[in-house]
Parts: sequence; structure tokens; C-alpha cells
Amino acid sequence: AAGVIQSPRHLIKEKRETATLKCYPIPRHDTVYWYQQGPGQDPQFLISFYEKMQSDKGSIPDRFSAQQFSDYHSELNMSSLELGDSALYFCASSAEGTTQETQYFGPGTRLLVL
Amino acid sequence: DAKTTQPNSMESNEEEPVHLPCNHSTISGTDYIHWYRQLPSQGPEYVIHGLTSNVNNRMASLAIAEDRKSSTLILHRATLRDAAVYYCILRDVNYGQNFVFGPGTRLSVLP
Repeated sequence: AAGVIQSPRHLIKEKRETATLKCYPIPRHDTVYWYQQGPGQDPQFLISFYEKMQSDKGSIPDRFSAQQFSDYHSELNMSSLELGDSALYFCASSAEGTTQETQYFGPGTRLLVL
Repeated sequence: DAKTTQPNSMESNEEEPVHLPCNHSTISGTDYIHWYRQLPSQGPEYVIHGLTSNVNNRMASLAIAEDRKSSTLILHRATLRDAAVYYCILRDVNYGQNFVFGPGTRLSVLP
């Protein structure tokens, strides 16, 4: 079965640079979520989109922005990168209307900021 | 979201059943109980969820106390592949799409 696709899988950036992470949800899933997981920490919710509109917002820094496109893929844009942004970034997708909207997670993008 | 409490870690022997407890004494009537697990270097993976009745699927069983203040995830025969961090998460059926991952239980499976 098709799963959530994230690209790139690994990314190395310098401080103050920008990064764009991409997420391709499972076909026919209309909701996308972004989570950040720092070293040794639990995943933290950043932001979510339903039908291309922002649906919920968590602890996402102002330096980060995201959007969902007409084909339902999503991009997380990160600017003025800081050392503390080094983390695993997970995207998850779900289908609105399914029982309690089970979220299916991608393999993650590992971002290292030097 | 209501808070959950889980043991920091547990150990099990391979091919034996594992019972992972979760306390959620402040659960509301509209909170579903979800379990996800995260294997090393992978994204969280859905395991099971339920509201009031016990639930079974191909991965596990979920036993929910009658007062709903606690639940237990049951892996019937642990394998080495089940070694992961297990998260018990409550989410209101009426709102709140994202999951709040709290400290879960790190399960070690011994051969």
C-alpha cells in the first residue's frame, strides 16, 4: 500500500540558511500534519492542513511556514535556521471523515543545522 | 487534551505476552484512547484505538477499564520487532486533530 512520502530524507544546512521539506500524503488523504522531534524527545505537533487550509497550529516558530497545495502535497519552509532546529521532521496524513482520523506517518526528514 | 501516565520502560521476553498500562484518570466521555508506537529511527505507527469497548486488531488488543480511567495495550506474542516506544494518547472526538505525544513506554524485547 502507498505510504506517506517525504523528501529529502536527509538535509544539512548552515545557520541562517533556509530549508524546504516536502510531504506527499497517501492518495485520497486530504489532511496533512507536521511534527518535529528533537534528539531524545517526543514528537511535537507543528501545524496541520485540511483541504489546503490551515486547520490547527501548534508550537511552530514564526520563522517556519507551511502550505498545502491543490494536489494535497505540503511543504514546510524554514528560514533563518538555528542550531536548535536540528531534528527529525515527520509528516502525517489522514482522511477526513474516517473513524477518529488515524494518522499515517512518513519516514521523516532528518535536518542537521551546522 | 487529558493527560496520560505510562511507565518509562518495560521489558519482555520474546514470544511472551506484553501488557502495557496507561492511566488516564481525567479522561472525558468524548475522549478516544489511541496507541501509537515508534520504532527506532522511524515515524510513529498506528497500533489501535478505542472508546469504551475492548478492541482487537491484527497487531494488538486494547483493554479499557469499565470506568475508562485506565487502559492496557496487549501484544499477544512479543517479537524483537515490537521493541519501540509506545504512546498512549487521548483525543477528543469533537475537536483537536493533532496528537499530543507524551512520554511513552520504551519496550525492550529480550531474545
